[in-house]
Amino acid sequence: DTGVSQDPRHKITKRGQNVTFRCDPISEHNRLYWYRQTLGQGPEFLTYFQNEAQLEKSRLLSDRFSAERPKGSFSTLEIQRTEQGDSAMYLCASSLDEAGLANYGYTFGSGTRLTVV
Amino acid sequence: AQTVTQSQPEMSVQEAETVTLSCTYDTSESDYYLFWYKQPPSRQMILVIRQEAYKQQNATENRFSVNFQKAAKSFSLKISDSQLGDAAMYFCAYRSAGGGTSYGKLTFGQGTILTVHP
Repeated sequence: DTGVSQDPRHKITKRGQNVTFRCDPISEHNRLYWYRQTLGQGPEFLTYFQNEAQLEKSRLLSDRFSAERPKGSFSTLEIQRTEQGDSAMYLCASSLDEAGLANYGYTFGSGTRLTVV
Repeated sequence: AQTVTQSQPEMSVQEAETVTLSCTYDTSESDYYLFWYKQPPSRQMILVIRQEAYKQQNATENRFSVNFQKAAKSFSLKISDSQLGDAAMYFCAYRSAGGGTSYGKLTFGQGTILTVHP
């Protein structure tokens, strides 16, 4: 287990189609995060999980977006009825956060680049 | 809500010279963490350096150091002896250290593109 894996790396889809992305975090990490990054901008928070519980969702996460993390392992991010404005890089990151441990930055995956045509 | 501002969209530096990237943030919290991340073109984001707000001493990691001014809410990154491999987009990020559901979320600035000239 050498890092955070995201699949696919690139996805081109037609407007109106559904897409699903997968993230495999570092195995011992209990927190998993999804961010969206548009070209030339900083990542924007979408949602995060602690184990299997989804603890926070951004207002950016419309009803067309849903994320899951069954059994606290890998996570999926689904976008239904994609729109051109959904075109972006979707980044996954994980961290180990427990009381008493120093807080380190995340480990990021390489991202999934979505293009909606 | 916290905000992070990077006022320099682009910076350039000659190889072997020093460059400083600026970052300011706004928060009402007293305990938090600040980070600089590097994102090379088409590659994943990696952590460069981190600073705990309760520590007065500025963090250093080899050629990278920060100037953390808590009262001014400023957190700049200095890169010494710049190398071609330092060329990337650099992001400043803030993370709350307190409890609650927002604990753990990173708030990023807009980024600074650093070009290193040979």
